[in-house]
Amino acid sequence: GGIITQTPKFLIGQEGQKLTLKCQQNFNHDTMYWYRQDSGKGLRLIYYSITENDLQKGDLSEGYDASREKKSSFSLTVTSAQKNEMAVFLCASSIVRGLGTEVFFGKGTRLTVV
Amino acid sequence: GDSVTQTEGLVTLTEGLPVMLNCTYQSTYSPFLFWYVQHLNEAPKLLLKSFTDNKRPEHQGFHATLHKSSSSFHLQKSSAQLSDSALYYCALGNSGGSNAKLTFGKGTKLSVKS
Repeated sequence: GGIITQTPKFLIGQEGQKLTLKCQQNFNHDTMYWYRQDSGKGLRLIYYSITENDLQKGDLSEGYDASREKKSSFSLTVTSAQKNEMAVFLCASSIVRGLGTEVFFGKGTRLTVV
Repeated sequence: GDSVTQTEGLVTLTEGLPVMLNCTYQSTYSPFLFWYVQHLNEAPKLLLKSFTDNKRPEHQGFHATLHKSSSSFHLQKSSAQLSDSALYYCALGNSGGSNAKLTFGKGTKLSVKS
């Protein structure tokens, strides 16, 4: 088995601040993702990467940057934190199994902006 | 484009009663459907996935049948347990285009009471 580790678990930022979230996986999966989780809105894809140094925009990429420094790591930057913003950011990686892609998630980074 | 609809935001049940969580989808290509479950403060985990039309995958007492004719993949269980209380996401992948991406529904919170 493998694990996805997200750091930090909790992040408190100030309005306008640039904030970076980090993710490591030891599954040796090619594809990695960043999702934003908001109550009642589901999981929305911010960025994903199908290999090292690749970046693909998701549906919610505005206001974020991402970087796939190596196969095992994928970081997300909030370019300018919005006041009163609260959300959980989930990192994931995936493998194609037979008939489809199976996604594995980390436990998340909980962001609060004051 | 691809989309997933989960009509119930919250389902509250008494222990022992049957569970049915709705999921319908729109897909550009041949679809693969998934159910993910997320318990409080945990990562979302794969619960089950579709294989071929009218085959019924099962896991932990839950089952779902992919019906392409009605574009549905409803999650069912004959008897709810307290430990089933969690957030459930239906997700769609497909065999064409970028099969690395999953599209998630907004989620259904299942609350099982004694």
